[in-house]
Amino acid sequence: GNSVTQMEGPVTLSEEAFLTINCTYTATGYPSLFWYVQYPGEGLQLLLKATKADDKGSNKGFEATYRKETTSFHLEKGSVQVSDSAVYFCARTLTDSWGKLQFGAGTQVVVTP
Amino acid sequence: NAGVTQTPKFQVLKTGQSMTLQCAQDMNHNSMYWYRQDPGMGLRLIYYSASEGTTDKGEVPNGYNVSRLNKREFSLRLESAAPSQTSVYFCASIGPLNQPQHFGDGTRLSIL
Repeated sequence: GNSVTQMEGPVTLSEEAFLTINCTYTATGYPSLFWYVQYPGEGLQLLLKATKADDKGSNKGFEATYRKETTSFHLEKGSVQVSDSAVYFCARTLTDSWGKLQFGAGTQVVVTP
Repeated sequence: NAGVTQTPKFQVLKTGQSMTLQCAQDMNHNSMYWYRQDPGMGLRLIYYSASEGTTDKGEVPNGYNVSRLNKREFSLRLESAAPSQTSVYFCASIGPLNQPQHFGDGTRLSIL
């Protein structure tokens, strides 16, 4: 079946460090892939997306590339800030319904000054 | 720019009580969704409504009912609350094909 697996947290980093959060998905169909971010006490906000193989999504210094050969969509940022502290969710569309999403478990990122 | 609005933001219930969580969107979106968020499990889909007048079960529908009152509003009802339903509930809506879901700020529900 469909699934999304992302690395467990919490991930603790110092400011200006490099961040990678791994995400892999099951290769069922041709899903669109998303990264959402959840700041404390808030709902989820779309961070970036990619709709086909080799697409690169980018926003606010974050990037992720849709890798069909490795069924991955890893999130990266070159230099994190304290304000990037949040929970990050990887998600894919489900093949039976373009509107439905399946989420990974979420990865908490804590950036210290 | 209200987007998706959920009420209430917080609620504490006793086991066996009933409650309706409200959700409204002002973006003229056709599809709406209810999720629950539990630690270490991400978001799981409870119910969704692909369009006004239709509702379908998601991954974890047991213990819940929904109503798509009109295009704007999609409510989630707990008829007899159980401690296992303690969670954070999110409503979301989606626009045209391949557009992302828009989320509300959540309802934090505790059942004692």
